[in-house]
Amino acid sequence: DTGVSQDPRHKITKRGQNVTFRCDPISEHNRLYWYRQTLGQGPEFLTYFQNEAQLEKSRLLSDRFSAERPKGSFSTLEIQRTEQGDSAMYLCASSYDFSGKNIQYFGAGTRLSVL
Amino acid sequence: AQKVTQAQTEISVVEKEDVTLDCVYETRDTTYYLFWYKQPPSGELVFLIRRNSFDEQNEISGRYSWNFQKSTSSFNFTITASQVVDSAVYFCALSEAWDSSYKLIFGSGTRLLVRP
Repeated sequence: DTGVSQDPRHKITKRGQNVTFRCDPISEHNRLYWYRQTLGQGPEFLTYFQNEAQLEKSRLLSDRFSAERPKGSFSTLEIQRTEQGDSAMYLCASSYDFSGKNIQYFGAGTRLSVL
Repeated sequence: AQKVTQAQTEISVVEKEDVTLDCVYETRDTTYYLFWYKQPPSGELVFLIRRNSFDEQNEISGRYSWNFQKSTSSFNFTITASQVVDSAVYFCALSEAWDSSYKLIFGSGTRLLVRP
């Protein structure tokens, strides 16, 4: 059973460019979460999916951010018109929602640097 | 409002010393879940333990042990006989049962450095 995988691991981009990250969850996990982690801080929730439905978005998720999970499998997180403040580690986690026994398993993250 | 506080920013110990990482949480919910995750330099958050608010039994797993005290809203983590491989950032996190998302609210982490 493979874990959560994220691609790419590192992304360097220039301000104003669009970037897209991919997350492949653990197979059969019906929930998928995105978090953002800045240097020296704990991860902060961005959004989550139950199957293909995006059920909640944090206020941190500005309108430049969009996330999808077509067919309830992998997910993509796109940032349009990147800004230097978007530089962070973007973490994906998946879980099997079972009566509150929700343990989230994380990928290694995508580190974004906006120049 | 819900909050997790890890007051120790960084701890440095010599190998084989015992070390305790503190975690204090705030929640208004009566049913909640507490977690510890380890983040090694590779970046991946590794799940260590999950406790629910109705289970105050302390838990031991090898060199790791956890002390959950509702009276002080604390969920502390002790590593016995620390090893260099324990060097990492450790995060305490909270999720609340009223929130069907079960999103995790993390503390700011404690960086543990174990010196040989």
